[in-house]
Amino acid sequence: TQLLEQSPQFLSIQEGENLTVYCNSSSVFSSLQWYRQEPGEGPVLLVTVVTGGEVKKLKRLTFQFGDARKDSSLHITAAQPGDTGLYLCAEPPGAGSYQLTFGKGTKLSVIP
Amino acid sequence: DTEVTQTPKHLVMGMTNKKSLKCEQHMGHRAMYWYKQKAKKPPELMFVYSYEKLSINESVPSRFSPECPNSSLLNLHLHALQPEDSALYLCASSQQGTDTQYFGPGTRLTVL
Repeated sequence: TQLLEQSPQFLSIQEGENLTVYCNSSSVFSSLQWYRQEPGEGPVLLVTVVTGGEVKKLKRLTFQFGDARKDSSLHITAAQPGDTGLYLCAEPPGAGSYQLTFGKGTKLSVIP
Repeated sequence: DTEVTQTPKHLVMGMTNKKSLKCEQHMGHRAMYWYKQKAKKPPELMFVYSYEKLSINESVPSRFSPECPNSSLLNLHLHALQPEDSALYLCASSQQGTDTQYFGPGTRLTVL
């Protein structure tokens, strides 16, 4: 099981600002998922990235997968209070495994 | 329908009580999971059921007892819990072990 490092741990910004959060590992990811978890709710899958260098967009969210598949970033443009939550990166289980390995998460607060 | 439901939403129990958490999915998924999540931490895997059989027990104390009555239902029986067991308990399901996991909203458990 590889270690996923997320940064920053906490981020508090004003509405309308842009931000980027990061997920890194010393090992190569087979694929990587980003989840958002709102307070009192379960994590919700935002995206899965598979190919090195891949960029995926989901409205104001842009996800990048590093060329070497060892890192990923999530960029939010013009953050809104509804973006508040815990952002988790996770490596899906490999063949024969059930273990979804989460990073420690980035707690984002967007202040109106 | 990608919904996983959990009941109850909130539960307060004493250390001598016996209670059960329930999880249900109707997506035909054959793998179901229990996770424990403490505040500001990522979810930690507790148990995995695959095809209604217990596949993984992550060294969870015996005061937590999982049960999978059928392919759609997953229970977690609680007995003689400790205050440090207070947490958000999340259920998830996936088509197979390596597929995307869908999470329920969780049960917020408080042990007095």
